[in-house]
Amino acid sequence: NAGVTQTPKFRILKIGQSMTLQCTQDMNHNYMYWYRQDPGMGLKLIYYSVGAGITDKGEVPNGYNVSRSTTEDFPLRLELAAPSQTSVYFCASSYSPDSSGANVLTFGAGSRLTVL
Amino acid sequence: GQQLNQSPQSMFIQEGEDVSMNCTSSSIFNTWLWYKQDPGEGPVLLIALYKAGELTSNGRLTAQFGITRKDSFLNISASIPSDVGIYFCSGGSNYKLTFGKGTLLTVNP
Repeated sequence: NAGVTQTPKFRILKIGQSMTLQCTQDMNHNYMYWYRQDPGMGLKLIYYSVGAGITDKGEVPNGYNVSRSTTEDFPLRLELAAPSQTSVYFCASSYSPDSSGANVLTFGAGSRLTVL
Repeated sequence: GQQLNQSPQSMFIQEGEDVSMNCTSSSIFNTWLWYKQDPGEGPVLLIALYKAGELTSNGRLTAQFGITRKDSFLNISASIPSDVGIYFCSGGSNYKLTFGKGTLLTVNP
């Protein structure tokens, strides 16, 4: 199994350009997430989805959009790239949590985005 | 939002030494997870803790879920060079994970 696959691994954008980060998982996980990682700041949740057709904002959603048309795919779109969006982006997925709300995330390898 | 305080921020140790890092929060979590991130890779799960007071080992790694559900620690015994990386604690509730800022571990051979 490939697990969680992200593309591209690296990308340089100019201010104001748009792009989509792709994420696909082959584990039949219901839950999918997008995080961004900035140096020394840990991982911040951008958006998440509990199933196809359902998405919700995380901690830092401004400047991003997502969609979840299938169980496997969860693309992240930047409409007007800004330097503040320079970061490493991680997609993750998990099975539905148990009754305590516990779930374990499997992460992709990351996409490094630079906005100049 | 929920925040985790992870310490220390970085550690420089000699091969063979033991390591301890911890996370505290003002919020209660249902789960505590510890991840390791190697350069250029995504975080990989090391240990998952599901019950308050739980003590779990995975090889040279031992982690505990605090009784108050607001803290957790990770110990690494007899460190080796491949232990180098960033270690993240994460607290889980409402099917979301909140992450600490990470502990950068350097092991000198």
